[in-house]
Amino acid sequence: TQLLEQSPQFLSIQEGENLTVYCNSSSVFSSLQWYRQEPGEGPVLLVTVVTGGEVKKLKRLTFQFGDARKDSSLHITAAQPGDTGLYLCAGVLEGSARQLTFGSGTQLTVLP
Amino acid sequence: DTGVSQNPRHKITKRGQNVTFRCDPISEHNRLYWYRQTLGQGPEFLTYFQNEAQLEKSRLLSDRFSAERPKGSFSTLEIQRTEQGDSAMYLCASSLDRTRGNTEAFFGQGTRLTVV
Repeated sequence: TQLLEQSPQFLSIQEGENLTVYCNSSSVFSSLQWYRQEPGEGPVLLVTVVTGGEVKKLKRLTFQFGDARKDSSLHITAAQPGDTGLYLCAGVLEGSARQLTFGSGTQLTVLP
Repeated sequence: DTGVSQNPRHKITKRGQNVTFRCDPISEHNRLYWYRQTLGQGPEFLTYFQNEAQLEKSRLLSDRFSAERPKGSFSTLEIQRTEQGDSAMYLCASSLDRTRGNTEAFFGQGTRLTVV
């Protein structure tokens, strides 16, 4: 059983559409990060959220940390083909030794 | 180049052979992590170091796997007597230990291992 459940697992949309990716858990996280990974490369950090209810924006990407710090979402506005990739959420469990636990990822494909 | 560096990028080896991977973290980072990732999955934690001390090892890290960080800088991950099930991307990440709640890890490009 995954500690962090991501949904959907796969998403294929047309350029210009909006989308939301979810990352859910029954555990509390002291921080949560979102990464984007391209084939054959390592994950690239997009954002870190640490406060319950926190919202961060990165151009067309909006990240939200749930009030209870158990879930997060990533919303992309007007998706572009360059947004294609594997989106991973990863969290540090409250009270843990601070190793990152990853979700299984959402594979996003944006068609031109 | 100030990012995390991993070598080699690709390794093909015969079953039963030993392999060693190297990771050079971001220079001021005191934490170093190893993860393994198979196709279509998120990275799975293997082990991490705080400076030269190996503080945690996953149950995924069998006796055939050993990791070192002798001087608290670069790290090596060795797999002995490789098996086909070891084929995966091996990722290294580093971070600067901060106050509670904010641990940003930066990843290298990974080493793709194929055991034939």
